[in-house]
Amino acid sequence: EVQLVESGGGLVQPGGSLRLSCAASGFTFSSHWMHWVRQGPGKGLVWVSRINNDGSSTLYADSVKGRFTISRDNAKDTLYVQMNSLRAEDTAVYYCARGSCSGGSCFVDYWGQGTLVTVSS
Amino acid sequence: EIVLTQSPVTLSLSPGERATLSCRASQSVASSYLAWYQQKPGQAPRLLIYGASSRATGIPDRFSGSGSGTDFTLTISRLEPDDFAVYYCQQYGSSLLYTFGQGTKLEIK
Repeated sequence: EVQLVESGGGLVQPGGSLRLSCAASGFTFSSHWMHWVRQGPGKGLVWVSRINNDGSSTLYADSVKGRFTISRDNAKDTLYVQMNSLRAEDTAVYYCARGSCSGGSCFVDYWGQGTLVTVSS
Repeated sequence: EIVLTQSPVTLSLSPGERATLSCRASQSVASSYLAWYQQKPGQAPRLLIYGASSRATGIPDRFSGSGSGTDFTLTISRLEPDDFAVYYCQQYGSSLLYTFGQGTKLEIK
């Protein structure tokens, strides 16, 4: 069974930093691209970042570029995101999600339960 | 950047009825890279449809996806009580960025 378990969320002051982790199990972690997606309180889903399977390629939404860094440790089956210079608008539930491709289509197929990040003084 | 606009924002229907949800893109989207998700309160999203029309594993056949270019549709043929949720479309574009629509809330009438 595919499992993605996020941790590391919490309350942080504006301008502060936080590192989220996502422990993966039930599949070959090193074979999949991975994503972070966030959802503000009462808001919709917003894609944040993705990393390819060996960590050599990363991509970010404009809203977090230069502040967030996605990384992975395939030996530990763990995905990370380092979040710096946090702003109030970064307050959200952060989901770790697995990317897959099938028959020429690529999509996000499994999601963790999310970890809440609150940026407030 | 491609913008996805979903309509309606809220859809009120009764169990047993047919639901038609729309997702319109600001530029043409490759059908291979259009997906639909369902999200219930307090839960993570669940993949329903990928490649515009392929059902994900375990998804009942009352869910179907169609469309191409800039117009895509998610249809739920006969609504069951468990289907009332928020639905999102998502695309993966030529810029390699992923974007979501703003969601359609399907509520019980």
